[in-house]
Amino acid sequence: NAGVTQTPKFRVLKTGQSMTLLCAQDMNHEYMYWYRQDPGMGLRLIHYSVGEGTTAKGEVPDGYNVSRLKKQNFLLGLESAAPSQTSVYFCASSHMGARSSGANVLTFGAGSRLTVL
Amino acid sequence: RKEVEQDPGPFNVPEGATVAFNCTYSNSASQSFFWYRQDCRKEPKLLMSVYSSGNEDGRFTAQLNRASQYISLLIRDSKLSDSATYLCVVNIAGRRALTFGSGTRLQVQP
Repeated sequence: NAGVTQTPKFRVLKTGQSMTLLCAQDMNHEYMYWYRQDPGMGLRLIHYSVGEGTTAKGEVPDGYNVSRLKKQNFLLGLESAAPSQTSVYFCASSHMGARSSGANVLTFGAGSRLTVL
Repeated sequence: RKEVEQDPGPFNVPEGATVAFNCTYSNSASQSFFWYRQDCRKEPKLLMSVYSSGNEDGRFTAQLNRASQYISLLIRDSKLSDSATYLCVVNIAGRRALTFGSGTRLQVQP
């Protein structure tokens, strides 16, 4: 089982360029998330999805868009990249959402390192 | 103020030592709690859940103090392989996603 796969693993962009990060999971999970991780800031939620065709804003959504056209895929788009978006991006998925009782273990992808010059 | 606060460290300890980390949370609606481990330049992985009565998994013990709003992680007999960043994670009622602390870095030295 691949689990959660993110592509690309590394990317360098110039300010104003656009790009899409792809996240794919093969565990039939309903919930998917995009986080960014910056030094001293921890993981911050950008957007999330509670099922195919649904998306919602997280803590830091500005400058990003997402789509969940298929249950197994969650795409994160940057329409016009800015240096402040230089970060490590993690996709995660879970069987249950945080509102559900019981453990809702997150499975993370290996991360995508994005540098915006 | 961050909703989940952790001492960033680093905690530098010798092999075999016992080390403890605390994490405080500000939202009293927090329902469930976890510790995740993140190795350098890798993704976070679940280490253990934290139960109200406290729980143990081998050399690792997690405890919850709801009155003071903190959780702790105790590592006994530290190994070199325990070197990592430990993330405190909280499920706040009404939210769809978990809230992460910024992590505590542990460096176990030979």
